[in-house]
Amino acid sequence: KAGVTQTPRYLIKTRGQQVTLSCSPISGHRSVSWYQQTPGQGLQFLFEYFSETQRNKGNFPGRFSGRQFSNSRSEMNVSTLELGDSALYLCASSLAGNYNSPLHFGNGTRLTVT
Amino acid sequence: GESVGLHLPTLSVQEGDNSIINCAYSNSASDYFIWYKQESGKGPQFIIDIRSNMDKRQGQRVTVLLNKTVKHLSLQIAATQPGDSAVYFCAERGAGNTGKLIFGQGTTLQVKP
Repeated sequence: KAGVTQTPRYLIKTRGQQVTLSCSPISGHRSVSWYQQTPGQGLQFLFEYFSETQRNKGNFPGRFSGRQFSNSRSEMNVSTLELGDSALYLCASSLAGNYNSPLHFGNGTRLTVT
Repeated sequence: GESVGLHLPTLSVQEGDNSIINCAYSNSASDYFIWYKQESGKGPQFIIDIRSNMDKRQGQRVTVLLNKTVKHLSLQIAATQPGDSAVYFCAERGAGNTGKLIFGQGTTLQVKP
């Protein structure tokens, strides 16, 4: 079974621009979560989507948003990029309805803001 | 606030020895815990998980121990191999949260040949 797929792998953007990242979950997984990983803050939860609805949200500004499509694929968007948004953005999927199922992560999108 | 902390930032072991990575969590309401391994350039890879109604769970060469009394989690790796070199994260999930994990800062495991 294919794992979580994230595209693109690398992105370089300029301050003030916006960016969209894409995530395809493991087949059959209906929950998709997004995380930001930085050396200073570690792994931090952004939001979770299930059945095209945001189910949970972390402590990030409104510039960070996401959505989920009917096929469970998800996108996250960051508007008005800041230098501090440079990070590895990770997507994870899990079986919905099974509370004790682990999250499985993709290899991330490395975003650099200049 | 909520936090999951690791006791040692770097652990260096000899190949073939057993490794123990420790983790303290602060949210007594958390009822599910996971260990991840992250290699350079990759996302976190699931290793093993444990529910709060268990004290111990074993996998292939790995064992997770949970001590709810002192809110402590550990990962034991038997016969550590060079391929085990990576950063290890513990994560907790609060009751009612599905996709939201709280991660520790990570421990780097270095395996010396």
